[in-house]
Amino acid sequence: EPEVTQTPSHQVTQMGQEVILRCVPISNHLYFYWYRQILGQKVEFLVSFYNNEISEKSEIFDDQFSVERPDGSNFTLKIRSTKLEDSAMYFCASSWVGVNYNEQFFGPGTRLTVL
Amino acid sequence: RKEVEQDPGPFNVPEGATVAFNCTYSNSASQSFFWYRQDCRKEPKLLMSVYSSGNEDGRFTAQLNRASQYISLLIRDSKLSDSATYLCVVRSGGSYIPTFGRGTSLIVHP
Repeated sequence: EPEVTQTPSHQVTQMGQEVILRCVPISNHLYFYWYRQILGQKVEFLVSFYNNEISEKSEIFDDQFSVERPDGSNFTLKIRSTKLEDSAMYFCASSWVGVNYNEQFFGPGTRLTVL
Repeated sequence: RKEVEQDPGPFNVPEGATVAFNCTYSNSASQSFFWYRQDCRKEPKLLMSVYSSGNEDGRFTAQLNRASQYISLLIRDSKLSDSATYLCVVRSGGSYIPTFGRGTSLIVHP
């Protein structure tokens, strides 16, 4: 069964450092998403991406965040200068269609720890 | 008022029990509704979409009450493997952005 993969599973970084979280969506999916979940909190939408551009983003997704699809398979989330409050689980997801909200498949997540 | 509210639980039930969760939403323009399941420290997985007429998938039944702005999930004949957190997800029309509830924890014991 096809699945979304994410690397690394755990990333530890110092405050102020840049991090790049990587995702490989399911191969025939067209829409890609990033979410985060702070420990013990709810899942929060960050951004959706389609046709090589951001289609929607939340208030959380400020100038410190960026996304990219550098090739035909990877989808990345970059945090330019990490803060302590960026510590969370980051989930990537993909779906075949977007607005009609076909099922999204989530990756296993990357746990980001900012020290 | 929180956009999507759920009783955090935990709901502690024996195997074979029937258990129901509710989720209330504040935005009357909400159009799409879903239940996700999330195991501890794992990713959310879609359990079922919630349709206006209600829908059933095996032991799971979902209902939508637009007038009172809530959705429900009923689990019959609970299994140990049903132990998880159940997330309510709501999306408003015209926007992709989904809003997740904090989840309801279910513990099914022998």
